[in-house]
Amino acid sequence: GNSVTQMEGPVTLSEEAFLTINCTYTATGYPSLFWYVQYPGEGLQLLLKATKADDKGSNKGFEATYRKETTSFHLEKGSVQVSDSAVYFCALSDRGTGNQFYFGTGTSLTVIP
Amino acid sequence: EAGVAQSPRYKIIEKRQSVAFWCNPISGHATLYWYQQILGQGPKLLIQFQNNGVVDDSQLPKDRFSAERLKGVDSTLKIQPAKLEDSAVYLCASSLDPVGLAGPTDTQYFGPGTRLTVL
Repeated sequence: GNSVTQMEGPVTLSEEAFLTINCTYTATGYPSLFWYVQYPGEGLQLLLKATKADDKGSNKGFEATYRKETTSFHLEKGSVQVSDSAVYFCALSDRGTGNQFYFGTGTSLTVIP
Repeated sequence: EAGVAQSPRYKIIEKRQSVAFWCNPISGHATLYWYQQILGQGPKLLIQFQNNGVVDDSQLPKDRFSAERLKGVDSTLKIQPAKLEDSAVYLCASSLDPVGLAGPTDTQYFGPGTRLTVL
């Protein structure tokens, strides 16, 4: 079956530190991979996506590369800001079953000045 | 472009009462999803509509939950009667028309959610 495993949080970093949030997946087909972000009190927002192996998604300084050989989609940012404090969800969509989404449990990030 | 709209934003009820949530997807989006997000967990799909037909409702507790999308646009999710464990945020999402397709059409766009507290 399909599933997503994220590194557990919470993660606390100082401003300008390097961020990595690990995400691995299991899929029966060829999924698209996503990172969504949820700021306090708000709904989920798409952060970035990749639709095939070796694709790199990027947005707002965040990057993630679709690695089929390691079934991973780790989120990285070179220098985090206080405004990046949020919960980050890794997800995959299975095009073979009507685009059903499978979410990880989320990783809470707090960036301190 | 307007996003996914949901109402109400917050609801507090007592157990065994009924509650309904409303969702209006992004204009032109054929697919609509309802998710349940319990505190500290990722969203769990409850039901997926393609236009006004149900694609997947395998995780919907049908003894108490129901959902409809009569005209293929907006949708309502109902819980009757509510239990304490139904306390969660209920998220609605929509996507363009992703079945069997790749690329930007498979991105889901989420509404702000309805936070339900069952006492």
